Amino acid sequence: AQSVTQLGSHVSVSEGALVLLRCNYSSSVPPYLFWYVQYPNQGLQLLLKYTSAATLVKGINGFEAEFKKSETSFHLTKPSAHMSDAAEYFCAVSRQAGTALIFGKGTTLSVSS
Amino acid sequence: KAGVTQTPRYLIKTRGQQVTLSCSPISGHRSVSWYQQTPGQGLQFLFEYFSETQRNKGNFPGRFSGRQFSNSRSEMNVSTLELGDSALYLCASSLAGPVAGELFFGEGSRLTVL
Repeated sequence: AQSVTQLGSHVSVSEGALVLLRCNYSSSVPPYLFWYVQYPNQGLQLLLKYTSAATLVKGINGFEAEFKKSETSFHLTKPSAHMSDAAEYFCAVSRQAGTALIFGKGTTLSVSS
Repeated sequence: KAGVTQTPRYLIKTRGQQVTLSCSPISGHRSVSWYQQTPGQGLQFLFEYFSETQRNKGNFPGRFSGRQFSNSRSEMNVSTLELGDSALYLCASSLAGPVAGELFFGEGSRLTVL
C-alpha cells in the first residue's frame, strides 16, 4: 500500500531562513507526488506536483521540491521564509491516475520575526 | 468563478443521530472527493465520485456513505454518529480526478458529536 511520512509535525524558522519540510513516500510503482498547503480555517491549496516530467518541481509562492527516487523522498524547500508562509503543509501520493490521493499527517510551519 | 462550497459550515449532533453534508463543486468539475480531517489522524480519504459513480473508497465503516448527482453536486451521510466522528469534513473537486487535475478544496464542514 502506498503511504507518505512527513518527518516533523512542527517546524519553526526565522523570517528569511531556509524552509525544509520533509516527505518520504512508499509506493510499489513510480508515484505521483503533491504538496498542499492549508491556512487557518481554510481548505487545502495545491503548491506543486510531480508527475515524472522533471525531478525538480517549482510551485507557487517560491516553493520547490525535488523528487529523489533513490531516497524515496520529495522534500519541500523555500530559500527564504516569509511570515505569510506560516501554515500547515501536507505531502500526498497517488499510485496512478484515477486513484485517490493519500495525504501525510502534515507539518505545521511557524515563522518568527 | 465560484469555488467549492460546503454546507453547513458548522454543526453539532448527538451520538446516534445521522448527518448529511453537502458539496457543490466548481462548475465543470466532474470529480468530487471527500476527506475527514482530525488532529490525531490527519487527512483520511473517504471516497471519490466521478460522473455519479463511486470510483474510489477509503477504509471507513459502512456508516459513511455518499452519492453524486447529475449536476456533480455531492452529499455524504454519516449514520449512527459516534464521538469519534467529530472532525472537519473536506470536499474537493477536480476536472477529471485528483491526479490528472488539481484538487480544489472547500473550507469544510466542522462536525461536533456530543
